[in-house]
Amino acid sequence: GAVVSQHPSRVICKSGTSVKIECRSLDFQATTMFWYRQFPKQSLMLMATSNEGSKATYEQGVEKDKFLINHASLTLSTLTVTSAHPEDSSFYICRRDRGNEQFFGPGTRLTVL
Amino acid sequence: KQEVTQIPAALSVPEGENLVLNCSFTDSAIYNLQWFRQDPGKGLTSLLLIQSSQREQTSGRLNASLDKSSGRSTLYIAASQPGDSATYLCAVETSGSRLTFGEGTQLTVNP
Repeated sequence: GAVVSQHPSRVICKSGTSVKIECRSLDFQATTMFWYRQFPKQSLMLMATSNEGSKATYEQGVEKDKFLINHASLTLSTLTVTSAHPEDSSFYICRRDRGNEQFFGPGTRLTVL
Repeated sequence: KQEVTQIPAALSVPEGENLVLNCSFTDSAIYNLQWFRQDPGKGLTSLLLIQSSQREQTSGRLNASLDKSSGRSTLYIAASQPGDSATYLCAVETSGSRLTFGEGTQLTVNP
């Protein structure tokens, strides 16, 4: 069964609004989670590394004030897309590891109108 | 900077055919290489993971090889089935648990 869940699976919002995406580790406490973004026909690109109890580490070119990450507990990390614009429309996927195995969430499709 | 390239970008084959997907990476300092399957609008499912010290891994009809020195990997799918239709992603892991993905090969197996 699934070990990483994401909610919502799909969201449509108006430009300028904020959207929160949750990533839950269902069977394992994860001190670190990873957030990826995937545009159509493109690969997954790492956005940030979420660390429980401390600030997230953002990749170059990813605005930390626009993509707010909160890793409030060992089983939950949230990504909030603030003041979303149509160019933020993408597929957002989280990941958490256990040992040397990686487990990805089912993804969240964000469409900004 | 690590770059991962997958060829071809898309592939359409009749059912039953054997096929090969290719992946190349620019920096051979990797911990492992992994092949994933992604169905439309879905997350990733790990198919095979090859450690940097290994040459190949097999699972059922799938066989993946790794030539770290030349920066190449292949995924061989035997006796393809319509259910194999998906996007196949190759990713290499480097320091800091960093995964770098290729852009994928979109496979269609026609009945």
